[in-house]
Amino acid sequence: EPEVTQTPSHQVTQMGQEVILRCVPISNHLYFYWYRQILGQKVEFLVSFYNNEISEKSEIFDDQFSVERPDGSNFTLKIRSTKLEDSAMYFCASTPADSQVYNEQFFGPGTRLTVL
Amino acid sequence: AQKVTQAQTEISVVEKEDVTLDCVYETRDTTYYLFWYKQPPSGELVFLIRRNSFDEQNEISGRYSWNFQKSTSSFNFTITASQVVDSAVYFCALSLSHNTDKLIFGTGTRLQVFP
Repeated sequence: EPEVTQTPSHQVTQMGQEVILRCVPISNHLYFYWYRQILGQKVEFLVSFYNNEISEKSEIFDDQFSVERPDGSNFTLKIRSTKLEDSAMYFCASTPADSQVYNEQFFGPGTRLTVL
Repeated sequence: AQKVTQAQTEISVVEKEDVTLDCVYETRDTTYYLFWYKQPPSGELVFLIRRNSFDEQNEISGRYSWNFQKSTSSFNFTITASQVVDSAVYFCALSLSHNTDKLIFGTGTRLQVFP
């Protein structure tokens, strides 16, 4: 069964460093998302992406964040200068975006980011 | 604005007890979708169910059942004869009418099932 994959599973970085979190959505999916979950808290929407551009972003998704689909298969989330409060689990999700039916979002296993 | 409230932060039960997890949502849209996800200790999000706002039929899947009541804006989840493997955090979520809309999650309920 096709699934969303994410790498790495755990990333440790120093404050101020740039990190790139990688996701490979399911191959025929067209709509992609990033969500964040600070430890012990709820899952929060960051950004959605369709047709090579951002569809919607939350207040969390400030200038330090960017997303990209560099090669038609990967979907990346970049944090330019990490802060302690960026420590969280980051989930990627994708959906086929078939307008005929509702399509649920398929979640990847997450990348745990630890900023020291 | 849309919102999902899960008032129960943590519930502890003994195996074989039934347990109900509450979810109350807020939206002004007439078309929306409701979800439950399970997050086991390993951290991944496991999809359990989706309901749309036009379908208030209750659903049963094995030991799981869901009660959707638009009149009270609730979408509660019951586990019958709970098992230790049910121990997890359970999230209720809301998505609006556009089929690619973001998910809005509640704060989750941590369920601990003791043997």
